[in-house]
Amino acid sequence: SQKIEQNSEALNIQEGKTATLTCNYTNYSPAYLQWYRQDPGRGPVFLLLIRENEKEKRKERLKVTFDTTLKQSLFHITASQPADSATYLCALDIRNNDMRFGAGTRLTVKP
Amino acid sequence: NAGVMQNPRHLVRRRGQEARLRCSPMKGHSHVYWYRQLPEEGLKFMVYLQKENIIDESGMPKERFSAEFPKEGPSILRIQQVVRGDSAAYFCASTAQGQEKLFFGSGTQLSVL
Repeated sequence: SQKIEQNSEALNIQEGKTATLTCNYTNYSPAYLQWYRQDPGRGPVFLLLIRENEKEKRKERLKVTFDTTLKQSLFHITASQPADSATYLCALDIRNNDMRFGAGTRLTVKP
Repeated sequence: NAGVMQNPRHLVRRRGQEARLRCSPMKGHSHVYWYRQLPEEGLKFMVYLQKENIIDESGMPKERFSAEFPKEGPSILRIQQVVRGDSAAYFCASTAQGQEKLFFGSGTQLSVL
């Protein structure tokens, strides 16, 4: 069956450390993968997109990797801050911009 | 340029009533997605529409649920004869033809009494 798994429901880290979130998928061959941030009571907000032919993408303190052999994406937030506390969702393009989301990882950064 | 507008923000219905959720995409966007979210859960895909066309409705329940995105006006997600299990946050997202980034609305919280 097709699955998108973010294998940490919740992640707690100390301010200043690097947060690493994982997104694994099975039986999909996405052309690209995206990461979104969602705050309570709000809609998700786009952060980064990485394509199947890209290994790594960076944006300020954010870094995303994409391994199509392992069928995995890693999302890193370096020098984390309490303001980074939110739920982070990965999303796969299953075909022609038809997007499916994982269940999300709730990140808490403690001061 | 206004973002994706969803209304109402909160909708309360009694069992058996109809719920109509509206989504106005961003200006220039021709593609709309509807997702459902329960507390502490991810976004569950429902339907993907282009103007006047349903691209993928594989996430829609076969009964009571329908969606449209007419040539003019907002996209509508319609739930007939609501049941308590329909209570959830319903999010709409839009994107332009050929673009990949989704822009989300703030959602409609449906509560069925």
